Amino acid sequence: GAGVSQSPSNKVTEKGKDVELRCDPISGHTALYWYRQSLGQGLEFLIYFQGNSAPDKSGLPSDRFSAERTGGSVSTLTIQRTQQEDSAVYLCASSPQPGLLNTEAFFGQGTRLTVV
Amino acid sequence: AQKITQTQPGMFVQEKEAVTLDCTYDTSDPSYGLFWYKQPSSGEMIFLIYQGSYDQQNATEGRYSLNFQKARKSANLVISASQLGDSAMYFCAMTTQAAGNKLTFGGGTRVLVKP
Repeated sequence: GAGVSQSPSNKVTEKGKDVELRCDPISGHTALYWYRQSLGQGLEFLIYFQGNSAPDKSGLPSDRFSAERTGGSVSTLTIQRTQQEDSAVYLCASSPQPGLLNTEAFFGQGTRLTVV
Repeated sequence: AQKITQTQPGMFVQEKEAVTLDCTYDTSDPSYGLFWYKQPSSGEMIFLIYQGSYDQQNATEGRYSLNFQKARKSANLVISASQLGDSAMYFCAMTTQAAGNKLTFGGGTRVLVKP
């Protein structure tokens, strides 16, 4: 597609349920990033993929969070046993090459997750 | 570690006037990049402008210019001739050579353009 696509755009889930958030990066972009945007914490880095590998998972807040990327394209962020503090907007971004020096990251519109 | 500070949580600007959004940064890495993103109510982060630490000239992109003062570690965004569509959140962000796969964002500034 023309841009980074995320689905669903909105998700309401009950506390304790698992959720999967999907990201389709721009075709040909090798680098993919997940960020979380919440009122109290601002924009936080979660994880970075280069191809199908995740060399930097340092931002994942707990072991309830995991992500994978297949075929060097689509990525799924999974949150198990959701908690209310997981409520946030989850943003995905991609870039054409590794590293962001001299390269912009293109962001999707995000998935707004609400845990009730 | 790298840090970005945006001290203006919100501001009003009159249509057709210029506005300056403040951003200061801190890093010990001599090689870094500074970004400005716009986030309208739709939620998407839209890239506006980029400045590299070794760039000799201030970056400009249409109505956007970046006032890069390296010694003061500031990277202010100037929007000229504001339009109603400029109403949005604006985020300053940086990456470094050492943390090149990661963007660190400031807290953002909300701009509201008044007709």
